[in-house]
Amino acid sequence: KAGVTQTPRYLIKTRGQQVTLSCSPISGHRSVSWYQQTPGQGLQFLFEYFSETQRNKGNFPGRFSGRQFSNSRSEMNVSTLELGDSALYLCASTRTGRNEQFFGPGTRLTVL
Amino acid sequence: SQQGEEDPQALSIQEGENATMNCSYKTSINNLQWYRQNSGRGLVHLILIRSNEREKHSGRLRVTLDTSKKSSSLLITASRAADTASYFCATDFQGAQKLVFGQGTRLTINP
Repeated sequence: KAGVTQTPRYLIKTRGQQVTLSCSPISGHRSVSWYQQTPGQGLQFLFEYFSETQRNKGNFPGRFSGRQFSNSRSEMNVSTLELGDSALYLCASTRTGRNEQFFGPGTRLTVL
Repeated sequence: SQQGEEDPQALSIQEGENATMNCSYKTSINNLQWYRQNSGRGLVHLILIRSNEREKHSGRLRVTLDTSKKSSSLLITASRAADTASYFCATDFQGAQKLVFGQGTRLTINP
């Protein structure tokens, strides 16, 4: 089975721009979670989607949003980028009824 | 803020030695998981221990859980250079796919 894939792998944006990151889960996995990883704050939960519905949300401002499609692929969007949004964004998928999360390689976002 | 606190923050040992990392958390949990991350890449799931379990093994890994102390430990036996990575504990206390990670232990195995 193919693992979780994320595109793009690297992204450079400037302040004020917006960005969309994509995540394709492992086939058959319907839950997709997103995390932000920074040196200062570590790994922080952004949100989780299941069957196209957001089930859980972390403590991030409304500039961070996401969605999930009927094929379980997920996107997250960050609007009005700030320097502090520079981070590694990780998505993870989970099989229904299980707790182990399978992570993608991440998208490294740099905001200049 | 992070639920988990990991100790030590960094650990450097010789190949072949055992490595022990500790994790403490604050609230009741459904399960606790350990993940490994190599140099800023994605995380790899290592092992999951449920709140009603006390010890679990997987190959060279041994995890213990003490819910009365709200702590867990990960032991890697007979370490190898390939074990060099950051190790994170993550708690699932809401029964949802919302993991709360510790800050991690950076493990270096010296040949």
